[in-house]
Amino acid sequence: ETGVTQSPTHLIKTRGQQVTLRCSSQSGHNTVSWYQQALGQGPQFIFQYYREEENGRGNFPPRFSGLQFPNYSSELNVNALELDDSALYLCASSPDRGNTFFGQGTRLTVV
Amino acid sequence: GQQVMQIPQYQHVQEGEDFTTYCNSSTTLSNIQWYKQRPGGHPVFLIQLVKSGEVKKQKRLTFQFGEAKKNSSLHITATQTTDVGTYFCAGPRGSGNTGKLIFGQGTTLQVKP
Repeated sequence: ETGVTQSPTHLIKTRGQQVTLRCSSQSGHNTVSWYQQALGQGPQFIFQYYREEENGRGNFPPRFSGLQFPNYSSELNVNALELDDSALYLCASSPDRGNTFFGQGTRLTVV
Repeated sequence: GQQVMQIPQYQHVQEGEDFTTYCNSSTTLSNIQWYKQRPGGHPVFLIQLVKSGEVKKQKRLTFQFGEAKKNSSLHITATQTTDVGTYFCAGPRGSGNTGKLIFGQGTTLQVKP
């Protein structure tokens, strides 16, 4: 509905493993932001990419990293997964000026 | 650090009753945004308020931005079962770049038919 698509929709990983989540932004949107939403909480800002460069970071450790590609799609990588990393990971895209639109999210479970 | 708080955390109403959620920021905001998240879904953008004292309406929903641009409210008149979900307010982090938002913890609305 929003044009922001994320994959996969669900994922189960083991503690200590690494994971890569993907996001295709809405056409014409050059900014991608990633959020972590724990159960019962509001989304927490992880970082933002603007034209392939990191453009701000929230209070997350370095094992959370990302990339943005020339077509503005993006990846979120998390290394050394911990149980507390279990959450809904949301990708949001926005144009230079305008509103922010969220994808449907990837639900990550770490066991 | 910058904080956005919402109250109440939960609200149960009978269908047809009104509902209000309040949002307070520790800092002055350049704008405030409201999102709705259905159970099992993702946040969906509802509206953005920019001006001090601004009031906007969307059918049964009324959004207000405080004069000091530090608080906001969402009021739903005559709730329906389709209004069920969690309502989040969000403001720009720091200097207000697009997409970098700080969210309140949300108000979850349950509507009894």
